[in-house]
This record gives sequence, C-alpha cells and structure tokens, in this order.
Amino acid sequence: DGGITQSPKYLFRKEGQNVTLSCEQNLNHDAMYWYRQDPGQGLRLIYYSQIVNDFQKGDIAEGYSVSREKKESFPLTVTSAQKNPTAFYLCATGGVGFTAQYFGAGTRLSVL
Amino acid sequence: SQKIEQNSEALNIQEGKTATLTCNYTNYSPAYLQWYRQDPGRGPVFLLLIRENEKEKRKERLKVTFDTTLKQSLFHITASQPADSATYLCALDRAGNTPLVFGKGTRLSVIA
Repeated sequence: DGGITQSPKYLFRKEGQNVTLSCEQNLNHDAMYWYRQDPGQGLRLIYYSQIVNDFQKGDIAEGYSVSREKKESFPLTVTSAQKNPTAFYLCATGGVGFTAQYFGAGTRLSVL
Repeated sequence: SQKIEQNSEALNIQEGKTATLTCNYTNYSPAYLQWYRQDPGRGPVFLLLIRENEKEKRKERLKVTFDTTLKQSLFHITASQPADSATYLCALDRAGNTPLVFGKGTRLSVIA
C-alpha cells in the first residue's frame, strides 16, 4: 500500500462493458506496472510504463489498454474484448534496475 | 523462455522451526532475485533482494541464498511464528529488461 492507491477495491463489469481501474502513486517512481492474479497463480504482467507517454505490452496485454499521461497515474482499462476478466488486479511501481516493486492494495474485478 | 518454479504450492511447519522455501529457474541468468510476502486479498510486500554476485543476504529472521550454478534460491525463516503464515513469491528480472517475472508462490502455514 503506502504511496500507491488503487481504486475501486471491488468492481463489477457487465457484458460488453469497458471498465477502468485507477492507480495513483506519490512515490515519484518512474516505472509503473499492472499485473493480473488468478487464484493459485502468480502475477502475470499486463502492461508497464517506464516513462510518461510511453508504455509496453506485457505477457497478457490482449483485451486491456493503458495510458500514462502523468507520472503519478497509470489507469488500466479492461475492454469488452477481454473475455475472462474476473481476477485480482495489482498495480505496482518501482525504480529502474536493482530495486523493489511496491504494490497497491489491488482491485478485485468480477463479471455480473 | 524463462521459467520460474517454486517447488511447493503449500508448506506446513510447526512454530519455532525453520521454514525453507525454494525457487528454481531455467533458461536464463538473472542479475538479481527478489522475495515478496503476500497476505490474502492484499498486494505483495517486498522482503529481500539478492544480486547474482551475492551468496547470502539476511534481514532479522529471514535469510536468502542465491546459487547461480544450481539456478536456485532458498528462502529461510528461522524461529517461525504463526504471523509468518502467508504466501511467499520469488521474482527475477527478465533478461535485458526491467519487469520482474514472478513465481506462483508457496503458501506457508505456521502451526502453533
């Protein structure tokens, strides 16, 4: 938790709907990350950004989109193309190189 | 492709004993390895980082070893307590890139 705020804590999506998960940080970290965690699974990288106005796809980017217009903010949109969106979504920040990642409290997304 | 395995999905030990968790990797040579603790419904919390040229790192009751020949890291918790019960994740840097690759985790239960 600390200087990373994820909202909302719980989110419900209807069929065909896009939803946006918020991630804000006040740690002044350059890099921000979005992970998805399914029960009994590790963290899978969705997207990451190392500088403002630039981001890269991770391992499971299909059906997701992001933006990085400000250093403090890295919102994730789960689009209707993501057919299995139910999961725990975690945002993280970190410096570049040999540094730790710091995680938010997560958003649990479910489908109605 | 890079592969990380945490050998046990779950580990039960008695209070006061030393817990040892294993992280094995294949197909690359990471520059460093990290260990995180995750409690149910929360984001992971960074515990320790060890670099490839370090054999061992300690922090209070925690000890991490890194054997680049065996491609293995061991994570020890001495004098374990019920409060140590959590899922522990290992993570490695990707070859030539910043984002971490996470193992699936080992769920540790310390029984009083």
